[in-house]
Amino acid sequence: DQQVKQNSPSLSVQEGRISILNCDYTNSMFDYFLWYKKYPAEGPTFLISISSIKDKNEDGRFTVFLNKSAKHLSLHIVPSQPGDSAVYFCAASEGTYKYIFGTGTRLKVLA
Amino acid sequence: GAGVSQSPRYKVAKRGQDVALRCDPISGHVSLFWYQQALGQGPEFLTYFQNEAQLDKSGLPSDRFFAERPEGSVSTLKIQRTQQEDSAVYLCASSQIYSEKLFFGSGTQLSVL
Repeated sequence: DQQVKQNSPSLSVQEGRISILNCDYTNSMFDYFLWYKKYPAEGPTFLISISSIKDKNEDGRFTVFLNKSAKHLSLHIVPSQPGDSAVYFCAASEGTYKYIFGTGTRLKVLA
Repeated sequence: GAGVSQSPRYKVAKRGQDVALRCDPISGHVSLFWYQQALGQGPEFLTYFQNEAQLDKSGLPSDRFFAERPEGSVSTLKIQRTQQEDSAVYLCASSQIYSEKLFFGSGTQLSVL
């Protein structure tokens, strides 16, 4: 039973447009949510996080939105750049260390 | 160090062989994690250390898996009597205590034939 789900395995977006990556979760006790980016042959790299007491967190071109009632979070990348092409994982935890990852969404930004 | 270092980068083992995977975390990071990533899946939690103490090993798939961090820095994940289903990328991550920002190594890709 997957507690964190990324239902879109892949997404293609034109350079300069907005990329929206979605993530759903089932455990209402999760209190930290994170997005990681992964390039081939590298480990995941932390991108942005949000705690359950907030509904939005912004860092440059990246914004994460959290909708607790829908148990849904999304990552917005504006504007999208070719270097953003990677696999994006969302993750959630109840507490400070046991992060549950989704299966990832492969983003391709077309030049 | 500059980042989390894992070795070997690739490991091919015959079924039944024992393997040891090494992780050098970022200097000063108290927390250390091991994750297993199967092909096409997200990383799955295996175990968590705070300094030398293994606080959670609930994700270890079987008693063939063993992890240690005896001096609170370098960690080793050992898999005994490897099976084909153990084939995966094993990721190590470290962080400052209670930080959600995990720093991952590049992983060890284990193939069991």
